[in-house]
Amino acid sequence: DQQVKQNSPSLSVQEGRISILNCDYTNSMFDYFLWYKKYPAEGPTFLISISSIKDKNEDGRFTVFLNKSAKHLSLHIVPSQPGDSAVYFCAPASGGTSYGKLTFGQGTILTVHP
Amino acid sequence: NAGVMQNPRHLVRRRGQEARLRCSPMKGHSHVYWYRQLPEEGLKFMVYLQKENIIDESGMPKERFSAEFPKEGPSILRIQQVVRGDSAAYFCASSQLRFEAFFGQGTRLTVV
Repeated sequence: DQQVKQNSPSLSVQEGRISILNCDYTNSMFDYFLWYKKYPAEGPTFLISISSIKDKNEDGRFTVFLNKSAKHLSLHIVPSQPGDSAVYFCAPASGGTSYGKLTFGQGTILTVHP
Repeated sequence: NAGVMQNPRHLVRRRGQEARLRCSPMKGHSHVYWYRQLPEEGLKFMVYLQKENIIDESGMPKERFSAEFPKEGPSILRIQQVVRGDSAAYFCASSQLRFEAFFGQGTRLTVV
């Protein structure tokens, strides 16, 4: 029972262009949505988050959009840089008092070509 | 300002031995979480602890696995009588209340 799906296992983008990573979820109890980036042999690094009461959150080159009715969120990276090449995980939480209990998607491998 | 510290980074155990994985949370963080990433899979939640309390262990296998976060010292994930299927990367994360969790580098357990 996959509650979080990242349907694109990989994405290849040219440097300077926009990268769009997508995530779908089924659990209506999720109320906080996080994106993590992961390099091989390292732990996930927190990137950006969005609360369910918002539909957009922006931080520099990174913007996350949330469509609650469609149970869909997306991460936009613009402009993309070669250093952004990593695995990106969508990780919602049903908060309560803690946003550390996360349900991770399978991840999308982003490759940004110079 | 050290991040989440996990040790060892790599651990090799023979089948039937015990594995102990340690995690020191970030300074000021009182919430600790353990995750497991099996080969070719995503990260799966195992357990959520606060000092001296297990808050949520819904992701822990029913047997051989235990976790603690004592009043003093690091959090420990303990796996007794390891089997080949326990080979995975184990990640610890910590957070403050209602804030995002930060992850350690992970411990890669190999059972031979």
